[in-house]
Amino acid sequence: GQNIDQPTEMTATEGAIVQINCTYQTSGFNGLFWYQQHAGEAPTFLSYNVLDGLEEKGRFSSFLSRSKGYSYLLLKELQMKDSASYLCAVMDSNYQLIWGAGTKLIIKP
Amino acid sequence: IAGITQAPTSQILAAGRRMTLRCTQDMRHNAMYWYRQDLGLGLRLIHYSNTAGTTGKGEVPDGYSVSRANTDDFPLTLASAVPSQTSVYFCASSVDSSNEQFFGPGTRLTVL
Repeated sequence: GQNIDQPTEMTATEGAIVQINCTYQTSGFNGLFWYQQHAGEAPTFLSYNVLDGLEEKGRFSSFLSRSKGYSYLLLKELQMKDSASYLCAVMDSNYQLIWGAGTKLIIKP
Repeated sequence: IAGITQAPTSQILAAGRRMTLRCTQDMRHNAMYWYRQDLGLGLRLIHYSNTAGTTGKGEVPDGYSVSRANTDDFPLTLASAVPSQTSVYFCASSVDSSNEQFFGPGTRLTVL
């Protein structure tokens, strides 16, 4: 079966760095997406990786290792507004997104 | 309209009633999707459409139907609602099936 695993909840301190991991097993691979979802709101796109390596976008970076079925989202200089759920999703061989349950990130002052 | 809209924002529905959730996008995206989001679970795909005139079944299609008569609209119909369909429903669209998806604000549906 297809499976996306990510931690349920993480806590970090304002100004610090946090890494959210995602491991996956899917039928085929056409890229990995990270989305941010604030409570009561819609998911919004953060990043896309299809090749191995690190993609940097401001305070957010995303890493992919296809051979290990592994990705992480790195958030630097954490701000209170970064408190949200972070969703990992893999696009399978049918170009459908398979979603993880999300990681709730709590930022403390 | 800017982006993707959904209606209604929320709805309480008696079991057995028919309900249509509306979704409209003005980005001229080819692909559109319906997901449900339940606590503790990832987003689950109900139905999708890669282009106007075509639709396909996702992971959890039973009890739901869709149509795609034109590029902009993608309504989701519950023919006879059941309590297990209580959920938050998100519509999304993308330029094509291989690109990032943009989400509507969601519809919170409660079936009693």
